[in-house]
Amino acid sequence: DTAVSQTPKYLVTQMGNDKSIKCEQNLGHDTMYWYKQDSKKFLKIMFSYNNKELIINETVPNRFSPKSPDKAHLNLHINSLELGDSAVYFCASTPGGRDYGYTFGSGTRLTVV
Amino acid sequence: SQQGEEDPQALSIQEGENATMNCSYKTSINNLQWYRQNSGRGLVHLILIRSNEREKHSGRLRVTLDTSKKSSSLLITASRAADTASYFCATDGMEYGNKLVFGAGTILRVKS
Repeated sequence: DTAVSQTPKYLVTQMGNDKSIKCEQNLGHDTMYWYKQDSKKFLKIMFSYNNKELIINETVPNRFSPKSPDKAHLNLHINSLELGDSAVYFCASTPGGRDYGYTFGSGTRLTVV
Repeated sequence: SQQGEEDPQALSIQEGENATMNCSYKTSINNLQWYRQNSGRGLVHLILIRSNEREKHSGRLRVTLDTSKKSSSLLITASRAADTASYFCATDGMEYGNKLVFGAGTILRVKS
């Protein structure tokens, strides 16, 4: 069983389109995250939810909107896609609190053309 | 902002040799974690060391933490070709709230 699963794995789309990435974890974790990894492999946090509540919202364009329908799911919707949005987006989860490692999904490679 | 910085950026060694990667960070931390990322894959958690710990072992991995120097090292002993990957340190900083901040990573290549 996959612990943190993301769909789709690859996403190629044109500029200006709207797209969504879905994430589900079956670990019973309370906290979920979205990270963006750029072409230089640098990972930057975007959002975090704890038990469906938004707790971290980094300086991300408001074209990016996360949504957590329940604590096992965290989706990312992106409006009006731009070339600079091309990256690998990772979902992660943790039990919450301190001193726990994160469990990452396998990533969604988004290419905007 | 980027917290950890790994050194070296890239490392190439022969199978059987030891690999050492270093990480420096800037602010006070609750813990420091190391992750591995194989090409085209997600990150895998390797080891977590708390701010009051100085050394931790897990199999062939040894992690040290020096909070006075704000640095950590990851040692992989008796490396294997399968250890070829990018390795990232990440810090859970006291100022950051409940999030990990990652360094830029070290690319390790183990030649067989």
